[in-house]
Amino acid sequence: DQQVKQNSPSLSVQEGRISILNCDYTNSMFDYFLWYKKYPAEGPTFLISISSIKDKNEDGRFTVFLNKSAKHLSLHIVPSQPGDSAVYFCAASAYTGNQFYFGTGTSLTVIP
Amino acid sequence: ETGVTQTPRHLVMGMTNKKSLKCEQHLGHNAMYWYKQSAKKPLELMFVYSLEERVENNSVPSRFSPECPNSSHLFLHLHTLQPEDSALYLCASSQDFDRGNEKLFFGSGTQLSVL
Repeated sequence: DQQVKQNSPSLSVQEGRISILNCDYTNSMFDYFLWYKKYPAEGPTFLISISSIKDKNEDGRFTVFLNKSAKHLSLHIVPSQPGDSAVYFCAASAYTGNQFYFGTGTSLTVIP
Repeated sequence: ETGVTQTPRHLVMGMTNKKSLKCEQHLGHNAMYWYKQSAKKPLELMFVYSLEERVENNSVPSRFSPECPNSSHLFLHLHTLQPEDSALYLCASSQDFDRGNEKLFFGSGTQLSVL
């Protein structure tokens, strides 16, 4: 039973526009959420996180929004750049223990 | 060298072979992890070691055997694998294990093919 879902396997966006990647979760105990970025032939690298006490966290071009009532989070990238083309994974954990549950990833292509 | 290093990057093995995957972290972290990534599936946690003791084993078949000789090194010994074990095996580390807000630092992975 998948507790973290990324329902869009792929997304294409024009350079300069906004990319919005979505993630849904089912476990109401999750209170910490992360986004990882993965280039081909490399491991995932941490991008941005958000705790359940917040509904928004911003870092440069990247903003993560959390809607706890809907059990939904999204990653906004603006403006999108060709170097942002990668697979993006959403992950969630509960405070007790450090097991992260990952989504299946969304492959983002930013078209120059 | 910094970060998390995994070797080999690619591995092809027969079902009767024995091989080992190696992971080394240079971050001074106390927890290390093995994850499996199969096509179109989420990353699955296999094993966790905290301060060199195994703290999680997510119902992984015994043909996968982890070893953590010290806090910087982690191995995954493979024996009589099946073709469905073909996947990307990722090693990760974090500062500690017992808090739910630790970032994971991943290696580049070993792409394993079992023939």
